[in-house]
Amino acid sequence: GQQLNQSPQSMFIQEGEDVSMNCTSSSIFNTWLWYKQDPGEGPVLLIALYKAGELTSNGRLTAQFGITRKDSFLNISASIPSDVGIYFCAGQETSGSRLTFGEGTQLTVNP
Amino acid sequence: GAVVSQHPSRVICKSGTSVKIECRSLDFQATTMFWYRQFPKQSLMLMATSNEGSKATYEQGVEKDKFLINHASLTLSTLTVTSAHPEDSSFYICSARIAGGVTQPQHFGDGTRLSIL
Repeated sequence: GQQLNQSPQSMFIQEGEDVSMNCTSSSIFNTWLWYKQDPGEGPVLLIALYKAGELTSNGRLTAQFGITRKDSFLNISASIPSDVGIYFCAGQETSGSRLTFGEGTQLTVNP
Repeated sequence: GAVVSQHPSRVICKSGTSVKIECRSLDFQATTMFWYRQFPKQSLMLMATSNEGSKATYEQGVEKDKFLINHASLTLSTLTVTSAHPEDSSFYICSARIAGGVTQPQHFGDGTRLSIL
């Protein structure tokens, strides 16, 4: 089946630093999504990408849909303590099909 | 917009009990809802896809008689864990996709922490 490799698994950074994480796939996806999950809660959608090469921002967050359709990255600029959580990428092969999730990146921000 | 409500948020019960979890889309209609299970420090694993008015589609390895899914309306899907045992203890999360929008992303509920004693 499809697999998503997400890296890094965890990051420990100082407040104010920029963060970058990425996902790669062995197969092509037509949609890439980035979610954030806080402890004991469900994932919250951060950014949705629908087109190869697309670069989309949401506040301090920027994500790109790789031109090969097999990868995506998420950048967080000027991190703050509330950015702490687990970030998941998710890919969708075709419109309406199931999501495949990456293993998550645990982000810790030290004040 | 796109709020998904999940209830209850936490359940603690004895082994052998059946537990029902509700997933509601509050401000949109959802022809398709999804049920996931998440173990500690792991990613979300899809259990089944719930389609309004039809039978759910279960992922390989998920027992349909163990995890009963009903999607009777465009705003409600339920997951019933029948005769739950300690190994069923997990974090169960539902998601919903806006009706008619196959390109729409999934929006998630806040999850249900199930603990079987």
